[in-house]
Amino acid sequence: DQQVKQNSPSLSVQEGRISILNCDYTNSMFDYFLWYKKYPAEGPTFLISISSIKDKNEDGRFTVFLNKSAKHLSLHIVPSQPGDSAVYFCAASPGRGGADGLTFGKGTHLIIQP
Amino acid sequence: DGGITQSPKYLFRKEGQNVTLSCEQNLNHDAMYWYRQDPGQGLRLIYYSQIVNDFQKGDIAEGYSVSREKKESFPLTVTSAQKNPTAFYLCASRAGVTQYFGPGTRLTVL
Repeated sequence: DQQVKQNSPSLSVQEGRISILNCDYTNSMFDYFLWYKKYPAEGPTFLISISSIKDKNEDGRFTVFLNKSAKHLSLHIVPSQPGDSAVYFCAASPGRGGADGLTFGKGTHLIIQP
Repeated sequence: DGGITQSPKYLFRKEGQNVTLSCEQNLNHDAMYWYRQDPGQGLRLIYYSQIVNDFQKGDIAEGYSVSREKKESFPLTVTSAQKNPTAFYLCASRAGVTQYFGPGTRLTVL
């Protein structure tokens, strides 16, 4: 049973445009959400996070939106750059301050076209 | 220069052999984690440790073992009981809710 779902395995976006990556979850106990970026054969790099008490968090070109009623979050990247081409993972923490580990989606491969 | 190191980067093992993957951190984090990634899949939690001399099983602990004798170190042993050990293994440590990952070890069973 997949508790964190990223339904788009890949996404192609033109350089300079907005990239929108989506993530859905099923577990109501998730209280913190994170996005990671990963290049092949490397460890994931933390990008941005959001607490369930907020609906938006922004950091430079990256903004995460959370819709609790829909159990949906999205990562917006504006403007998209060639170095943004990577796999993006959505992750969720089921409370206890993340002590028990994170639950990850399967990832979305973002391809930025020149 | 703080961070998480994993060694080796690539590891080959014959079927039936145990192998230990190293994970070291100098971030002074209490909690450490091991995940496994398979092609086209997300990361799945193997084991985690909140504090020295204590650890808990994650979602896919069967065939794996860990120890946490020092705060800085959290080695993972892949035993011969693990049916599909070929994968990319990732170690992480935690600050607050955020986990920070090492570069990973690619294990291939021949």
